[in-house]
Amino acid sequence: QKEVEQNSGPLSVPEGAIASLNCTYSDRGSQSFFWYRQYSGKSPELIMFIYSNGDKEDGRFTAQLNKASQYVSLLIRDSQPSDSATYLCAALGITGRRALTFGSGTRLQVQP
Amino acid sequence: GAGVSQSPSNKVTEKGKDVELRCDPISGHTALYWYRQSLGQGLEFLIYFQGNSAPDKSGLPSDRFSAERTGGSVSTLTIQRTQQEDSAVYLCASSSTQGAQGTGELFFGEGSRLTVL
Repeated sequence: QKEVEQNSGPLSVPEGAIASLNCTYSDRGSQSFFWYRQYSGKSPELIMFIYSNGDKEDGRFTAQLNKASQYVSLLIRDSQPSDSATYLCAALGITGRRALTFGSGTRLQVQP
Repeated sequence: GAGVSQSPSNKVTEKGKDVELRCDPISGHTALYWYRQSLGQGLEFLIYFQGNSAPDKSGLPSDRFSAERTGGSVSTLTIQRTQQEDSAVYLCASSSTQGAQGTGELFFGEGSRLTVL
């Protein structure tokens, strides 16, 4: 089992729809979770972080965490073509590591 | 500097040669990380520095890989006797918080693309 697992996609949604990106992690001891966005040929940039069970909203983005199920998700409301990118889920503390462990990413395509 | 700077941006080398990749983090950032990303893949952790020490080097794939950081600033990743499977983009990131605690915001450089022929 991968330490941080994501569906590689591509996930294709029409403009204005809600995009739902999912991630599971293997280490129940992990406490902090992060979503990074990576445009093609560019470096990743942080979108959101979440530590507590439940939802955390920031503009059009909502991160959701369920520690019992070891599940993290990112919802993007009113998706725009500019949201088309690869979304990387990351966790801190996987196997005690003091650095982020990233998933392989989900490629999102927002169709105009 | 304004951002994380990496050099070279592109490096083509022959199998068996040694390469050095350099990272200049954001001024004042105490934590520095090396990751690598193969085509279409996620980021693979290599090593983490806090100051000049490396409390976590668990991601280095073999003893051909080494890294150092001097003056709490610039870091160099060295790959000896390169192999074709070493071909990837090597990304450096820095953070103002220890061990990516807090917001977990890592600031990434543009990467060094290594191609081993």
